[in-house]
Amino acid sequence: NAGVMQNPRHLVRRRGQEARLRCSPMKGHSHVYWYRQLPEEGLKFMVYLQKENIIDESGMPKERFSAEFPKEGPSILRIQQVVRGDSAAYFCASSRQSPPASDGYTFGSGTRLTVV
Amino acid sequence: EDKVVQSPLSLVVHEGDTVTLNCSYEVTNFRSLLWYKQEKKAPTFLFMLTSSGIEKKSGRLSSILDKKELFSILNITATQTGDSAVYLCAVEGGAQKLVFGQGTRLTINP
Repeated sequence: NAGVMQNPRHLVRRRGQEARLRCSPMKGHSHVYWYRQLPEEGLKFMVYLQKENIIDESGMPKERFSAEFPKEGPSILRIQQVVRGDSAAYFCASSRQSPPASDGYTFGSGTRLTVV
Repeated sequence: EDKVVQSPLSLVVHEGDTVTLNCSYEVTNFRSLLWYKQEKKAPTFLFMLTSSGIEKKSGRLSSILDKKELFSILNITATQTGDSAVYLCAVEGGAQKLVFGQGTRLTINP
């Protein structure tokens, strides 16, 4: 069981470019969540998706950020026209059901985005 | 607004010591409290607590929840250098999302 797979592990973008972060949930998990961790801060919820549906995007910035979880393929978090303040670690988590059972949410290793 | 506060923020102890990490919360429609261990990679699931007073145990780690006083503790006995990490507490409220505390950075010196 490969766990939650995120790629790339590290991503460097110049200001104004686009960043695409990918997340493949654990096998058998159909619920995906994205969190952002700014330096020296806790993880902050961004968005919760099921296949082809955004369930809760209350933590997403109103502009430049979007997320999808298509019927086939990984979930994508897309950041357009990146700025230095977007530099952070972006974690994806998945669960078999929502709310999860006693095994909680499984996190991926994260993508560290650096905007230069 | 839902809130989770962990203390201490940082803790340095010697190998073999016992440590207690604290987590207090304010959240509407509490569903569960979760503990994670974060090294330089994915947060690793430790415990999920839903009921007061029932201790969960895994090896040298244990945790308990007090829903009346709105806090949880994570105990680690006979600490080892491999226990050095950031320990995250998170609470799930009415919606399917976690509210995290700032984390406690634990350093175990040999």
